Amino acid sequence: AQSVTQPDIHITVSEGASLELRCNYSYGATPYLFWYVQSPGQGLQLLLKYFSGDTLVQGIKGFEAEFKRSQSSFNLRKPSVHWSDAAEYFCAVGAPGYSTLTFGKGTMLLVSP
Amino acid sequence: SQTIHQWPATLVQPVGSPLSLECTVEGTSNPNLYWYRQAAGRGLQLLFYSVGIGQISSEVPQNLSASRPQDRQFILSSKKLLLSDSGFYLCACGLAGVGGANVLTFGAGSRLTVL
Repeated sequence: AQSVTQPDIHITVSEGASLELRCNYSYGATPYLFWYVQSPGQGLQLLLKYFSGDTLVQGIKGFEAEFKRSQSSFNLRKPSVHWSDAAEYFCAVGAPGYSTLTFGKGTMLLVSP
Repeated sequence: SQTIHQWPATLVQPVGSPLSLECTVEGTSNPNLYWYRQAAGRGLQLLFYSVGIGQISSEVPQNLSASRPQDRQFILSSKKLLLSDSGFYLCACGLAGVGGANVLTFGAGSRLTVL
């Protein structure tokens, strides 16, 4: 079975600074990987996904993530954070033939002025 | 693209009362449908999923049940609510992408408070 670890429960970043949110997964083969964002009281919105091919994937809102097989990681990055990026971010893993995704517990991003 | 409607958006119910949360999907046919529950600090917990009408898989045994009476309708129910049923319930729709991966689209959620 797959599992996902997001080591950071909360992260505070200054507006304009760079951001990296960590995600580690456990799965025996190449997984499908996702990052979602959730604003307070709202549903989840897909930021980006990785299925295969180029290990650096671009998403919406200026986010990108890099799949590193050797480290079992799929970290989310953004070069310059905006106050509107404050939200909770979830990493998720899926696999071929599986109908479900497994989510991490989330990282809450706070953006300071 | 698909749109997911969930209602009610907010619900306050006494312990022991019944529950019905409804989810409908527009813009697609024969989707996979999911109910997740979100509690503070615990991430998303998959409760049920369905790959077709009348087909329900339960991930966590508990006080809840799910039904899929129509292709694009997914209902979460309880006969008697417990305090521990409080939470934020999210319906999601999954469509097969490359290699059969399910890309999930989420509804706006239903906030349930059991008193």
